[in-house]
Amino acid sequence: SYVLTQPPSVSVAPGKTARITCGGNNIGSKSVHWYQQKPGQAPVLVIYYDSDRPSGIPERFSGSNSGNTATLTISRVEAGDEADYYCQVWDSSSDHPVFGTGTKVTVL
Amino acid sequence: QVQLVESGGGLVKPGGSLRLSCAASGFTFSDYYMSWIRQAPGKGLEWVSYISSSGSTIYYADSVKGRFTISRDNAKNSLYLQMNSLRAEDTAVYYCARAKSGGTPFDYWGQGTLVTVSS
Repeated sequence: SYVLTQPPSVSVAPGKTARITCGGNNIGSKSVHWYQQKPGQAPVLVIYYDSDRPSGIPERFSGSNSGNTATLTISRVEAGDEADYYCQVWDSSSDHPVFGTGTKVTVL
Repeated sequence: QVQLVESGGGLVKPGGSLRLSCAASGFTFSDYYMSWIRQAPGKGLEWVSYISSSGSTIYYADSVKGRFTISRDNAKNSLYLQMNSLRAEDTAVYYCARAKSGGTPFDYWGQGTLVTVSS
């Protein structure tokens, strides 16, 4: 089945930019969605279809997708962005969704 | 506003059964695919099952196929997960989530219900 690989952790200073990668075979041909999960809470959709933002999600969150890597970028990082982030795609070969391994973002 | 509220979790012995429910409100339930997604303690998200808006299409992850059954009652705006032959590795928080169709994002999630399988 399709595998999505994320770095286990990313650390970033406040005000800087965090980039979270999601690797998968030819992922650029798929639509990627990103979720933010804070401790003890349910996941929240922050980016869908590679780069679209749901209403209420700050413009600081952006996404891109090309080749074998999709990227979630958080600009001007704030303490409140500290969370786990998961990428997700639809695996058409098995007809079900697949989640990435997750990345813990720590704000220094 | 959209609300998804799971219930039915608890402690169950290995080999036992449990039925989870997800009550939906604030949207036209029958227009949406619904999924169960779980998260073992300290682990990542794992998709479990989904059911189409009419209930005619159902898929399961290999890890639960033959043991879990997803269903829905559009008249009651409710989603269910019947879990049989439970194993220790089924211990997780179970979330219900909605999507417009099979390949679309999960735009709303419930708060989750904890299932613990232990003797």
